[in-house]
Amino acid sequence: QSVLTQPPSVSGAPGQRVTISCTGSSSNIGAFYVHWYQQLPGTAPRLLIYGDTNRPSGVPDRFSGSKSGTSASLAITGLQAEDEADYYCQSYDSNLSGGVFGGGTKLTVL
Amino acid sequence: EVRLVESGGALIQPGGSLRLSCAASGFTVISNYMAWVRQAPGKGLEWLSVIYSDGSTYHADSVKGRFTIARDTSKNTVYLQMNSLRAEDTAVYYCARVNGDYSDYIDFWGQGTLVTVSS
Repeated sequence: QSVLTQPPSVSGAPGQRVTISCTGSSSNIGAFYVHWYQQLPGTAPRLLIYGDTNRPSGVPDRFSGSKSGTSASLAITGLQAEDEADYYCQSYDSNLSGGVFGGGTKLTVL
Repeated sequence: EVRLVESGGALIQPGGSLRLSCAASGFTVISNYMAWVRQAPGKGLEWLSVIYSDGSTYHADSVKGRFTIARDTSKNTVYLQMNSLRAEDTAVYYCARVNGDYSDYIDFWGQGTLVTVSS
């Protein structure tokens, strides 16, 4: 049972827009920043979004993050086959005094 | 170029001990927060342990008292000492650099090392 809740799976056709939600509480998302990671099959995760909305250099602007209250979302526009991966949200939790992840969402490109 | 290279993963019997190593290059571990994150087969990511630049540490409840994170600044290497291993500790263990801005996020990951706990 993860502290942050994500849908197990989402899907979309090439070119479409999909969103992945991440729901937490006042001790994590409600008080701290949210970050997103992409994990391609068989590889280590990589940073996709940090500080709710910021993209590291090299991440396409098709990826964007947002946050409202105790929930956050990752949006992917212009879906491409190479976007098929697992996506994880992460924040800090003051009750646990450490980082926490969502359970992960598998994105399938139809 | 930033690099993190983990080693030490192995097949180990329940109750055994193992030490993972993470050799860093391109930056100094003493000036950064460093973490271990694990991923059980087919499962999600779990934030395990962090060593901060001041040397203080954090361990998740699931490993507290059994795992210890440490660093050797002369070797620019971070370690995870794992004792009293259980079957549920079977996972790929990733070494990671934590950026302390924006309430701690991982800006660089190693490639991972597999630990299998089984008799």
